[in-house]
Amino acid sequence: QVQLQESGPGLVNPSQTLSLTCTVSGGSIRSGSYYWSWIRQPAGKGLEWIGRIYNSGSGSTDYNPSLKSRATISIDTSKNQFSLKLNSVTAADTAVYYCARDSDWFDPWGQGTLVTVSS
Amino acid sequence: QSVLTQPPSVSGAPGQRVTISCTGRSSNIGAGYDVHWYQQLPGTAPKLLIYGNSNRPSGVPDRFSGSKSGTSASLAISGLQAEDEADYYCQSYDGSLSGSKVFGGGTKVTVL
Repeated sequence: QVQLQESGPGLVNPSQTLSLTCTVSGGSIRSGSYYWSWIRQPAGKGLEWIGRIYNSGSGSTDYNPSLKSRATISIDTSKNQFSLKLNSVTAADTAVYYCARDSDWFDPWGQGTLVTVSS
Repeated sequence: QSVLTQPPSVSGAPGQRVTISCTGRSSNIGAGYDVHWYQQLPGTAPKLLIYGNSNRPSGVPDRFSGSKSGTSASLAISGLQAEDEADYYCQSYDGSLSGSKVFGGGTKVTVL
């Protein structure tokens, strides 16, 4: 079955760019008609959808309006990966970041990776 | 402030039935968009529990059921078990927010 794994730096300096990659295994990221999403969760708080990318064609994207100006999601089908870049980060961006396959609902999810924004 | 509103907590004794509400508005649940539910055990990633308002993925016990009516949805857990103690989140789509996926704030279920 399809599995997802997030990777990237666990510590990012304020005002810098957060960069994460999600590697898909157990199946091709191009299979089916799916979106691939990023979701985050600050410690002790709820879930926030960041954005998504389509797995074929032009790789169209959608973003949470509250993050749209800072977030960029891209896909590399040759590596079976998709990525998130979030620029101009502040302490408020400290969270566990999850990647997930998006079929309208999210399933499966990666295990999550903690990103701390601090100098 | 979450777009979808859930009670912060619910509790019940083993074997009891508990329900979690998820209240939206005319731009999301009331517009006909489906509601999905997730279970998050402590220290783990969320897991899909119910999709398309009332469908259970393979492996999810039939103790869990979902429903939707108007601008609200509900998750019911019957025959509550200790292993059901977790956070539960509803999720839908909001057409007024430039096409944004939205979550409820989450509900902590405590088994007494």
